[in-house]
Amino acid sequence: DQQVKQNSPSLSVQEGRISILNCDYTNSMFDYFLWYKKYPAEGPTFLISISSIKDKNEDGRFTVFLNKSAKHLSLHIVPSQPGDSAVYFCAASEISGGYQKVTFGTGTKLQVIP
Amino acid sequence: GAGVSQSPSNKVTEKGKDVELRCDPISGHTALYWYRQSLGQGLEFLIYFQGNSAPDKSGLPSDRFSAERTGGSVSTLTIQRTQQEDSAVYLCASSQELVNTEAFFGQGTRLTVV
Repeated sequence: DQQVKQNSPSLSVQEGRISILNCDYTNSMFDYFLWYKKYPAEGPTFLISISSIKDKNEDGRFTVFLNKSAKHLSLHIVPSQPGDSAVYFCAASEISGGYQKVTFGTGTKLQVIP
Repeated sequence: GAGVSQSPSNKVTEKGKDVELRCDPISGHTALYWYRQSLGQGLEFLIYFQGNSAPDKSGLPSDRFSAERTGGSVSTLTIQRTQQEDSAVYLCASSQELVNTEAFFGQGTRLTVV
C-alpha cells in the first residue's frame, strides 16, 4: 500500500525553465511534508518542507505547494539549473504512537538539459 | 559526529552469508530509520526506532532481516542468509525527537550479493 506516490519516474526540463514535480498521498493523518534531493552515490538531503497548516512555502528557487483537499503537493524549481539534476523524493510524516513517522515516495528523476 | 555515518560504504557478499550494516546517527537524535533503495526503485521503509519505544518493524521484508539499536545510539541491520534480491543501497537516517523536523541521511551502504 503506497501511501505516498510520485507517478512520474522521470522528468526532463530545459535549463532556465520551470520544473514541476508532483506527489500524491492517501493518508489524511499526514501533517508535515518534505522534499529530499538525492545525487548518485549519496544519501538524500533535505530540500524544503511544508506544514499542513500552510499551502505554500518558498525558499529561493524552490517552492512547495500543498493542496490538502486533493491530497497533492508539488515542488516547483524556477529557474531550473543543470545542478538540479537529481532524484527528488517526496515524503510525508504523521504522529504515530506519539512520534513522527516519515513515509517516502518512489522518487522522480529530474534531468535539466543545458 | 557531524552527520549520519554508515559502514561499510560497500559490501560484496556471497549468497547465503550473513551481513551486518552499521549506522551511527547524529548525536542526540532519538529517531532512527532504515530504508533501502533497490536499483531503479524508490526508498523502501524497513524499520524505525524512536527512543525506548518498541521499534516499528513493519517494513522488514522477511524474517532474515533484523535490526538493533543499542543504548539509543548505534544501530545494526543484520541480513541472514543473504539472497541476490537483497542487493540494494541501505540507507540510515536520524532525526530529533521533535515533530515537523527533517531526517538526515547517511551516504548508504551498497550491498551486492553474488
